[in-house]
Amino acid sequence: GAGVSQSPSNKVTEKGKDVELRCDPISGHTALYWYRQSLGQGLEFLIYFQGNSAPDKSGLPSDRFSAERTGGSVSTLTIQRTQQEDSAVYLCASSLAGHGRNSPLHFGNGTRLTVT
Amino acid sequence: DAKTTQPPSMDCAEGRAANLPCNHSTISGNEYVYWYRQIHSQGPQYIIHGLKNNETNEMASLIITEDRKSSTLILPHATLRDTAVYYCIASNTDKLIFGTGTRLQVFP
Repeated sequence: GAGVSQSPSNKVTEKGKDVELRCDPISGHTALYWYRQSLGQGLEFLIYFQGNSAPDKSGLPSDRFSAERTGGSVSTLTIQRTQQEDSAVYLCASSLAGHGRNSPLHFGNGTRLTVT
Repeated sequence: DAKTTQPPSMDCAEGRAANLPCNHSTISGNEYVYWYRQIHSQGPQYIIHGLKNNETNEMASLIITEDRKSSTLILPHATLRDTAVYYCIASNTDKLIFGTGTRLQVFP
């Protein structure tokens, strides 16, 4: 079946502009995760959702970052007033029940964000 | 989640078995051992996970020691396409944190 889909695959934006990144999880997956990966660096946890709720937002780097999930499905990660240090690949993953429930994550291929 | 320790890098000849070790000496009884890998420019890919028993699937085998303090991921016949960073995670929580992993280089 279809995997996790992210759009756009690439986004170039000017410093100071807002961007929205979209994630379509695997159908029926209740948990959804956002990570980012800067060039040559490891995976940095941002936020995860169980249904439409976000039990843990601790990884969001600043108040310029926000995420929402509607209908227990699609999620949007919004970055306001983008800065050059926001340039990274933003990865989304979904899980049938959540990683702590013996349910592994399935990742999309990410959105490569470049802030000029 | 329990801390895991992996070698930063390993090499393996194509066609040979790749054995990737992971130490998780502080693992608790209900924490699973998960393995993921990330091939360059792609999202991470789930490989396998287990609690106590050894596990095998079409991609790999997972051997967990009896005391559960360490494990080994085995790719039985490594190919060039198995070159990737491999992450071992011991976890029983929804929040999944990745470490630095082992960079496996498969050479011809």
